[in-house]
Amino acid sequence: NAGVTQTPKFQVLKTGQSMTLQCAQDMNHEYMSWYRQDPGMGLRLIHYSVGAGITDQGEVPNGYNVSRSTTEDFPLRLLSAAPSQTSVYFCASSYSTRSRNSPLHFGNGTRLTVT
Amino acid sequence: SQELEQSPQSLIVQEGKNLTINCTSSKTLYGLYWYKQKYGEGLIFLMMLQKGGEEKSHEKITAKLDEKKQQSSLHITASQPSHAGIYLCGAGAYGSSNTGKLIFGQGTTLQVKP
Repeated sequence: NAGVTQTPKFQVLKTGQSMTLQCAQDMNHEYMSWYRQDPGMGLRLIHYSVGAGITDQGEVPNGYNVSRSTTEDFPLRLLSAAPSQTSVYFCASSYSTRSRNSPLHFGNGTRLTVT
Repeated sequence: SQELEQSPQSLIVQEGKNLTINCTSSKTLYGLYWYKQKYGEGLIFLMMLQKGGEEKSHEKITAKLDEKKQQSSLHITASQPSHAGIYLCGAGAYGSSNTGKLIFGQGTTLQVKP
């Protein structure tokens, strides 16, 4: 099992550019989510998905789109990057949202800089 | 909405010393997760607490959940340099242990001086 795999690890974008952060898990997890981590603000939920074809917004969804066409993949799209989106992005997954013994498994993060 | 506040925000201890990190919720806690993060890496799950008064230990790390105070504490005994990192508490956004919409505290950065 590779767990949760995020690519790329580092990315520099110019304002207005678009890109997709990739996230894949090989654990057959039902639930997947995207967080951003900023100094002094902890982790903030961007979008999440409770299964293929189902997505919903988290705390800070503006400027980001997601889709979940398969159980394994949950890409995060930045349509027009802004400097405020400079952050470290984490993808996470868990077996089920209904199980109390189902902790989140995290990827190693993507460090994004928007100039 | 529910918020989690951790204290202290940062901590520097001498190797071998004990330390405690607290996580306080603005709403009743029905379950709480503790994670550890090393710089440049993802979060590693440490343990989950489900019931009031529950206490769990893993090696030299012990976590407790006090539902009445809406608080959890993480205690490290005889700290080692390998304990250094950022510790984060997380809880279901609506006060449940459901991992859907898990929210996190801002993290506590721990440095252990050899």
